[in-house]
Amino acid sequence: QQPVQSPQAVILREGEDAVINCSSSKALYSVHWYRQKHGEAPVFLMILLKGGEQKGHEKISASFNEKKQQSSLYLTASQLSYSGTYFCGTERGNQGGKLIFGQGTELSVKP
Amino acid sequence: DAGVIQSPRHEVTEMGQEVTLRCKPISGHNSLFWYRQTMMRGLELLIYFNNNVPIDDSGMPEDRFSAKMPNASFSTLKIQPSEPRDSAVYFCASSPETLPNYNEQFFGPGTRLTVL
Repeated sequence: QQPVQSPQAVILREGEDAVINCSSSKALYSVHWYRQKHGEAPVFLMILLKGGEQKGHEKISASFNEKKQQSSLYLTASQLSYSGTYFCGTERGNQGGKLIFGQGTELSVKP
Repeated sequence: DAGVIQSPRHEVTEMGQEVTLRCKPISGHNSLFWYRQTMMRGLELLIYFNNNVPIDDSGMPEDRFSAKMPNASFSTLKIQPSEPRDSAVYFCASSPETLPNYNEQFFGPGTRLTVL
């Protein structure tokens, strides 16, 4: 079951904040976040395990609410380099990295 | 570290031909994943290996697709015969973790396949 990401696309001005959501209809073991720039490969951002932990990576952080089967990615004070498509990948059990990716959220940061 | 290496980077072939995509994972990584990315279907996991053994191939679309990992430093994804709907970007990724733990996946640059 593919997770659902929202919004599908967002346009920001440099310095603005954004939130990207990832929801699943099934219980989740973990959520992975990746960013892909146009014409390039996806690049890992972070992994969140069930337990509701929140992680941070510079000005990008994420949370995981296992009861709601949702994860959110927070981008603070966005920079031009944040532009790209963000994917969440979900894992229903400890399956050694077998991920089902959402359709992606396209983020554009303008000067 | 060279990262995950894929070849060829671009492949254009005619319907019915055999296509072989190659991947060299990062040295020391235990898991290897093959993905396909299209606009319509997004990023799909086709198959993954752990310590050279196929663990889950439920994402392989049909019998025309096969994958092998003869050793820890090489894997192939073969399509025979190829069809226009196979056109996509195929990514290989490797991960340093072994079951039951896992970690981030490092993606290769991808192979853009076009089947005419």
